[in-house]
Amino acid sequence: DTAVSQTPKYLVTQMGNDKSIKCEQNLGHDTMYWYKQDSKKFLKIMFSYNNKELIINETVPNRFSPKSPDKAHLNLHINSLELGDSAVYFCASSQHGQDEAFFGQGTRLTVV
Amino acid sequence: AQRVTQPEKLLSVFKGAPVELKCNYSYSGSPELFWYVQYSRQRLQLLLRHISRESIKGFTADLNKGETSFHLKKPFAQEEDSAMYYCALTPKEYGNKLVFGAGTILRVKS
Repeated sequence: DTAVSQTPKYLVTQMGNDKSIKCEQNLGHDTMYWYKQDSKKFLKIMFSYNNKELIINETVPNRFSPKSPDKAHLNLHINSLELGDSAVYFCASSQHGQDEAFFGQGTRLTVV
Repeated sequence: AQRVTQPEKLLSVFKGAPVELKCNYSYSGSPELFWYVQYSRQRLQLLLRHISRESIKGFTADLNKGETSFHLKKPFAQEEDSAMYYCALTPKEYGNKLVFGAGTILRVKS
């Protein structure tokens, strides 16, 4: 009964490949996010969706495309992977009007 | 622009010693501030928020608007407090996104 779950947990892939990370939340929240944690552990928001609508897109390359098929899912597709994309990607969700964000366990992406 | 600064990358203290994790913020509006914690091999989770003014696991944090600070304090550190701590703010007019500081690793030594 995990609240926010991401798959896969680890992803190792070659430069130039296309990959997807999936995220699902069973909390009934209306807002979902993707955050990127770099090698220095710095966390930065990438995208935010509210009721399947994109509301935040923080200067992320076009190679990153989020997709929200419904309120409970927010997937992240990455085209033409680059070495600099190596990071831990965290999905999170919250309910509009409430403060607390609930995070997934993270997906460690390594591009070789 | 919103910014959160945590000046210490690593803070190492002995068990039973007081702890203060520093956080300063830059934001023109009225901020909502949080501390999130990530224990080893666990997911990031909320520790406390300034509006609730509560103490969680012995930690407290007071918002000082004059000094634009939200330092996290605990009078007596425990070994289980060892973790990565992130200070964060929510600029409400930009949705519910969290702007994080760089994080501080707290190591409590026995």
